[in-house]
Amino acid sequence: QSALTQPASVSGSPGQSITISCTGTSSDVGSYNLVSWYQQHPGKAPKLMIYEGSKRPSGVSNRFSGSKSGNTASLTISGLQAEDEADYYCCSYAGSSTGYVFGTGTKVTVL
Amino acid sequence: QVQLQESGPGLVKPSGTLSLTCAVSGGSISSSNWWSWVRQPPGKGLEWIGEIYHSGSTNYNPSLKSRVTISVDKSKNQFSLKLSSVTAADTAVYYCARLSIVVVPAAMSCWFDPWGQGTLVTVSS
Repeated sequence: QSALTQPASVSGSPGQSITISCTGTSSDVGSYNLVSWYQQHPGKAPKLMIYEGSKRPSGVSNRFSGSKSGNTASLTISGLQAEDEADYYCCSYAGSSTGYVFGTGTKVTVL
Repeated sequence: QVQLQESGPGLVKPSGTLSLTCAVSGGSISSSNWWSWVRQPPGKGLEWIGEIYHSGSTNYNPSLKSRVTISVDKSKNQFSLKLSSVTAADTAVYYCARLSIVVVPAAMSCWFDPWGQGTLVTVSS
């Protein structure tokens, strides 16, 4: 089972909005599975940002939002801030024979 | 709130067995959640290793299944990972995490939260 495909890097200026895509197949993202998203700063553990495709855990800024269309899920960060500079990963269930697959990861740079 | 803490040797010899334990505090390992291991090689992405339920039921990444064993100790509120026949390719930061699964109409959702701080395991002679 291959990892979900994400762009290697995305950048934006403070205040702008950026979108990170997460492309899978009909066996994972497209198969009625709701994606979760994680933020990881260097040397730190991943932090849950989005679950059930579009829900935010308590304490996560409403600048983060999630959506899905077909085999592609997306994470949008609006009002980009310096603290948003980090790596981001998506994750999806891929069936009983495969388990869970993560995305390849996207490095977000705030210009 | 629930907190997880990994522990175990930071250095393992090639062909040996990697052994890690994840202690769960602030909540019971017998709750309605699965408990997982995820690893991240230096400079690379995340890889799911496997999961266990408090009943002892397990599921493993098929690419690692022949070498992985995950077990649970309810009396100590912890779960453990053993990875055998390790090579340099198994050098990574190993994280434990709670896995929540929700089945909603026509959809399934899963997410890892919280995570332990991670522990670096190096495979080297």
